[in-house]
Amino acid sequence: SAVISQKPSRDICQRGTSLTIQCQVDSQVTMMFWYRQQPGQSLTLIATANQGSEATYESGFVIDKFPISRPNLTFSTLTVSNMSPEDSSIYLCSVLDSLNTEAFFGQGTRLTVV
Amino acid sequence: GQNIDQPTEMTATEGAIVQINCTYQTSGFNGLFWYQQHAGEAPTFLSYNVLDGLEEKGRFSSFLSRSKGYSYLLLKELQMKDSASYLCAVRDGSSNTGKLIFGQGTTLQVKP
Repeated sequence: SAVISQKPSRDICQRGTSLTIQCQVDSQVTMMFWYRQQPGQSLTLIATANQGSEATYESGFVIDKFPISRPNLTFSTLTVSNMSPEDSSIYLCSVLDSLNTEAFFGQGTRLTVV
Repeated sequence: GQNIDQPTEMTATEGAIVQINCTYQTSGFNGLFWYQQHAGEAPTFLSYNVLDGLEEKGRFSSFLSRSKGYSYLLLKELQMKDSASYLCAVRDGSSNTGKLIFGQGTTLQVKP
């Protein structure tokens, strides 16, 4: 299994500012993903973080708004840029195990934009 | 397109059995996952099915029929702590990323 450390666990931010969320895994993993979970909703995939290349974004998400870094096989960051209240959500980092049979999640970052 | 359907809410009694259904229509398929999520916590893995049939793990079982695009999660001997959201997720087989596409989740309330 993989242990994922995600921080910050929560933050309250002013609109127009940016927040960078960090995800650290205790082992090397090929696939890392970033999800958003809005209040009372399920998980929506933002992007796949690719090591050594640009992230692959899902429909409705763009790099200018959610820039992602993946400098190595154990670490990734997601930035929520130019925040608005609509960005208030839980953001979750996820990785697949080596057999691709289980996905592990970080504890999430609860973001409130005021 | 991708479409994964689950009931929004279910209620069951402590000690009983409950079945949570999930139907899916995806452009590719490479496995189906069930997750449990308590309020304010991250999802935790329950089961994985890639072949047709039933997978049993303690009080929890999961069934898959690929031809019907259908799965269910069966919870036996319900306990109050089983009150949570249950998320069905399909691994996208049309890309090489293995990304998971989630259903909207089923909120289960277990009553005494």
